[in-house]
Amino acid sequence: VVVTQSPLSLPVTLGQPASISCRSSQSLVYSDGYTYLNWFQQRPGQSPRRLIYKVSNRDSGVPDRFSGSGSGTDFTLKISRVEAEDVGIYYCMQATHWPPTFGQGTKVEIK
Amino acid sequence: QVQLRQWGAGLLKPSETLSLTCAVYGGSFSSNYWSWIRQSPGKGLEWIGETSHSGSTKYNPSLQSRVTISVDTSKNQFSLNLSFVTAADTAVYYCARKGLLEWSQGTLVTVSS
Repeated sequence: VVVTQSPLSLPVTLGQPASISCRSSQSLVYSDGYTYLNWFQQRPGQSPRRLIYKVSNRDSGVPDRFSGSGSGTDFTLKISRVEAEDVGIYYCMQATHWPPTFGQGTKVEIK
Repeated sequence: QVQLRQWGAGLLKPSETLSLTCAVYGGSFSSNYWSWIRQSPGKGLEWIGETSHSGSTKYNPSLQSRVTISVDTSKNQFSLNLSFVTAADTAVYYCARKGLLEWSQGTLVTVSS
């Protein structure tokens, strides 16, 4: 399954919102009814960190300015107000179909 | 809280075998699946495969002919072997718990003659 993110580069002003799109080549609804679409943040020099699982569930410790939404083949990660610590590359990943596949990444930087 | 630490050779020659081991600390080794993922500039993040504590494995079809993931439950460790490496296998390799909530620090493996 091909996962396509856009944009690939996202310059944002501090305090402004940001939105990243993730589209899959097939529906990500699994036979159990769940949609296994995750979002990750990778800060420079660090391992990826999971932010969101199953489309819209925030992991523990993730600020509530991060939110995930979507269904089927179309998903979005939103940052309500970008902070300096949000700089990095964001990836979506589908785990519905084998093998799990990642998007190309979206680089978020401060204008 | 689960922590993962990995080790292995960082420089290989073409046709050699990549070997990495990941140790799991905390949490329950036997009730989880454990994964290997790699990240390269050219191909981005790529799932390599996974194993259960009992050694049940699944591999990415793109690597299946060269990959072996094994497990040592007595040490709470699992390992990755990737044979006949080429420059295209140069990447940062990570181990992680399935679900990818916890990741290792990663190991840069470079394949060069």
